[in-house]
Amino acid sequence: QKEVEQNSGPLSVPEGAIASLNCTYSDRGSQSFFWYRQYSGKSPELIMSIYSNGDKEDGRFTAQLNKASQYVSLLIRDSQPSDSATYLCAVFMEYGNKLVFGAGTILRVKS
Amino acid sequence: DAGITQSPRHKVTETGTPVTLRCHQTENHRYMYWYRQDPGHGLRLIHYSYGVKDTDKGEVSDGYSVSRSKTEDFLLTLESATSSQTSVYFCAIRGTSGTYEQYFGPGTRLTVT
Repeated sequence: QKEVEQNSGPLSVPEGAIASLNCTYSDRGSQSFFWYRQYSGKSPELIMSIYSNGDKEDGRFTAQLNKASQYVSLLIRDSQPSDSATYLCAVFMEYGNKLVFGAGTILRVKS
Repeated sequence: DAGITQSPRHKVTETGTPVTLRCHQTENHRYMYWYRQDPGHGLRLIHYSYGVKDTDKGEVSDGYSVSRSKTEDFLLTLESATSSQTSVYFCAIRGTSGTYEQYFGPGTRLTVT
């Protein structure tokens, strides 16, 4: 089992729809979770962090965390073509003192 | 952009030659990291540093060495480059807010022929 798993996609959504990106992780002791956005040919950019169970909203982005299910998600409301990118889930693993990344989900927003 | 620069941004080298990549930061961050990114594998940690002269291995450290002689610079060296080391290399720093978020440099695309 991979430490952090994401569906590779691509996930295709129409413009204006809600995009839902999901991530599961293996370390039950993890406390810190991050979402990065990476455009083609660019470096990853931190867009959300979440540390407590529940929802955290920032503009059109909402991160959701369920530690009991070891599940973290990212919702993008009113999706725009400019949201088309690869989204990386990252989990800080306490046992190894390291940030572990999923392989990423490709999101395509069609106008 | 967290004040991180990487050099060179692109490099083509031949198998067996040594290569050094440089990461430079201007904001006095303690933790610095080197990752490689390959299709299907995502970001994988090569080495990291938690202070001047303090470094440790990541999950894919074979064939790589690092040095950090001053806070602002973290060097990654491929002692004898191989074609399997063709990749995009990213440097990152850990933020100073007390959490574990990382911020990335622009990357170096390395091709070993």
